[in-house]
Amino acid sequence: KAGVTQTPRYLIKTRGQQVTLSCSPISGHRSVSWYQQTPGQGLQFLFEYFSETQRNKGNFPGRFSGRQFSNSRSEMNVSTLELGDSALYLCASSVTGHKGTDTQYFGPGTRLTVL
Amino acid sequence: DAKTTQPNSMESNEEEPVHLPCNHSTISGTDYIHWYRQLPSQGPEYVIHGLTSNVNNRMASLAIAEDRKSSTLILHRATLRDAAVYYCILRDVSGAQKLVFGQGTRLTINP
Repeated sequence: KAGVTQTPRYLIKTRGQQVTLSCSPISGHRSVSWYQQTPGQGLQFLFEYFSETQRNKGNFPGRFSGRQFSNSRSEMNVSTLELGDSALYLCASSVTGHKGTDTQYFGPGTRLTVL
Repeated sequence: DAKTTQPNSMESNEEEPVHLPCNHSTISGTDYIHWYRQLPSQGPEYVIHGLTSNVNNRMASLAIAEDRKSSTLILHRATLRDAAVYYCILRDVSGAQKLVFGQGTRLTINP
C-alpha cells in the first residue's frame, strides 16, 4: 500500500498570502489529522476529519481551516499568513478504529516558510 | 489529556539494548500507552502501544509497570537507524482522535 502523501513538500510564501496544503491518506483510511511542528512548540494538533466532517479541533486561530473530500483526501488552508506560521505541517491518516488503539500513519510533511 | 514525562535526551551505543523511560503518574484506567518516533527529516512513525501487559513487536518491546504509572520502551539491539526523537503518548479510549505530543526523548546512537 502506498503511504500518506503530502503536496507540495516545500513552499515559500510571503506575509498576508494564503496557502493550501494537500494530503492523500492511505487507501481505506477515513480519518485524516493535521499537525503543526515548530522548534518552539513541538508537534501540535490542528484538526481531524472523518467522513468529510471536522471531528476535533486544536487550539489554533480561525485562519487555519481544512476540509475533507469524499475520497478521504484532505486539504488545509492558512489565510493571511504570519511569520509564525512557518513550520512543518504533517498529515496523518488512520482507519478510524478504536481511539485508544488505532495507529496514525504520518506523511513526510510540507515545509512552509513565510517571509 | 494525561501528561507524560520523559528525559530530554539519552545516548547509547550501537548493538546495545536501550531502555527509554516514561512516567505517567496521572494515567487513567482507559488510557493506552503509545510510543511514536520521529527520524530526522521525517514524519513520526508508530512504534508500539499497550494497555496493561507487556507487548512485543518487530521494532521494540514495551514494559508497563504494574501500577501503570510508568513504562519503558526497549530497543533490544540499537542501530544507527534508531537515532530519533521518541514520544510516549497516552490515548484515552473515549477521548478525541488526536495525539498529544510532549517534548520526547532525543536518542543518540554512537557507532
